[in-house]
Amino acid sequence: GQQVMQIPQYQHVQEGEDFTTYCNSSTTLSNIQWYKQRPGGHPVFLIQLVKSGEVKKQKRLTFQFGEAKKNSSLHITATQTTDVGTYFCAGGTSYGKLTFGQGTILTVHP
Amino acid sequence: NAGVTQTPKFQVLKTGQSMTLQCAQDMNHEYMSWYRQDPGMGLRLIHYSVGAGITDQGEVPNGYNVSRSTTEDFPLRLLSAAPSQTSVYFCASSYSRQGLNSPLHFGNGTRLTVT
Repeated sequence: GQQVMQIPQYQHVQEGEDFTTYCNSSTTLSNIQWYKQRPGGHPVFLIQLVKSGEVKKQKRLTFQFGEAKKNSSLHITATQTTDVGTYFCAGGTSYGKLTFGQGTILTVHP
Repeated sequence: NAGVTQTPKFQVLKTGQSMTLQCAQDMNHEYMSWYRQDPGMGLRLIHYSVGAGITDQGEVPNGYNVSRSTTEDFPLRLLSAAPSQTSVYFCASSYSRQGLNSPLHFGNGTRLTVT
């Protein structure tokens, strides 16, 4: 079945450093979504990418969807302590299921 | 507007016991789903429903049953609890029948421990 791999599993950064998490699918995706889960909380939707090569920005967050629609990345510029949490990608296919990656746990040291 | 409401928040079961995790949404979403979250494994889909009366299996359906008699409610039943079902369970809904191009709205989760 479809697999979505996300790396790294953990990332520790100093406040102000950049952070990137990568997502790779075994199959071509119709769309990819990104979620953030704060410690002890539930996943919260951040963004959806649909088009090949698409790039979207939300303040310090930059999301990319690969040309082949099989990979994606989330980049955070100048991390802040409020960025801590687990970031998940979720790949959607034409038959309607979302498959989540394992998540990247981000720790930001002040 | 409460969103997605899950009860209970915490539950401890003994092996072999049964229970139902409740999920209700007040957003008139057609698509509802159940995920379990385990360390290092992300969120894995258990069952989902694209509308009242329609359910289907996800990645890890064994040991769980669901039903969807109304648009609002999507309970998850554990038939005979096993320690392997110790996990955090999330219910999620979206406004699309496909659940594909729509953001998922998650409940606050149920932390289940099976001893």
